[in-house]
Amino acid sequence: DAGVIQSPRHEVTEMGQEVTLRCKPISGHNSLFWYRQTMMRGLELLIYFNNNVPIDDSGMPEDRFSAKMPNASFSTLKIQPSEPRDSAVYFCASSLQGGDNEQFFGPGTRLTVL
Amino acid sequence: GNSVTQTEGPVTLSEEAFLTINCTYTATGYPSLFWYVQYPGEGLQLLLKATKADDKGSNKGFEATYRKETTSFHLEKGSVQVSDSAVYFCALRRQAGTALIFGKGTTLSVSS
Repeated sequence: DAGVIQSPRHEVTEMGQEVTLRCKPISGHNSLFWYRQTMMRGLELLIYFNNNVPIDDSGMPEDRFSAKMPNASFSTLKIQPSEPRDSAVYFCASSLQGGDNEQFFGPGTRLTVL
Repeated sequence: GNSVTQTEGPVTLSEEAFLTINCTYTATGYPSLFWYVQYPGEGLQLLLKATKADDKGSNKGFEATYRKETTSFHLEKGSVQVSDSAVYFCALRRQAGTALIFGKGTTLSVSS
């Protein structure tokens, strides 16, 4: 079982550049979550999908952030343009929809915006 | 709104000491409660959970009891090991299938 796969693991970019983070959920899982972890705010939900459809994007900070899930095995989180305050660790998690199913987390992408 | 408050870290203990990390929550209805652990450089892993009042979750020597009357879910372990050094997150989920709401995390450091 490969677990949730995220890429890249580390990303360093300059302010104003576009950043794309990628996530491959566990096969068969139909819910996918994007979280952001910072020292100041801890772990916060950005957006989540059920069956590839965005359900709650209230945590997306602003229009610079967008997320897509074109199919059941792939999701992207894009920041355009990036700013230094976007520096954080971004986690993707997946689960089976419904019930009290466990969310499985990926290893995270550490983003640094200079 | 829904929120989770937990012990501010860091918590520093000697091996075999007793551990308590406090967690209280604010939520409408009857949320499910979770403890997750994050080892350095890794993602979060579910440690234990409880889905209704008075349930006790347990795993790897850790325990937590869902206390509705005090809106708490404190994490305890009778004898910690160096390998327990990690960041511990308390979280709630208001209803099945929705996202988790996390506390800020508590860093535990255990020395031999």
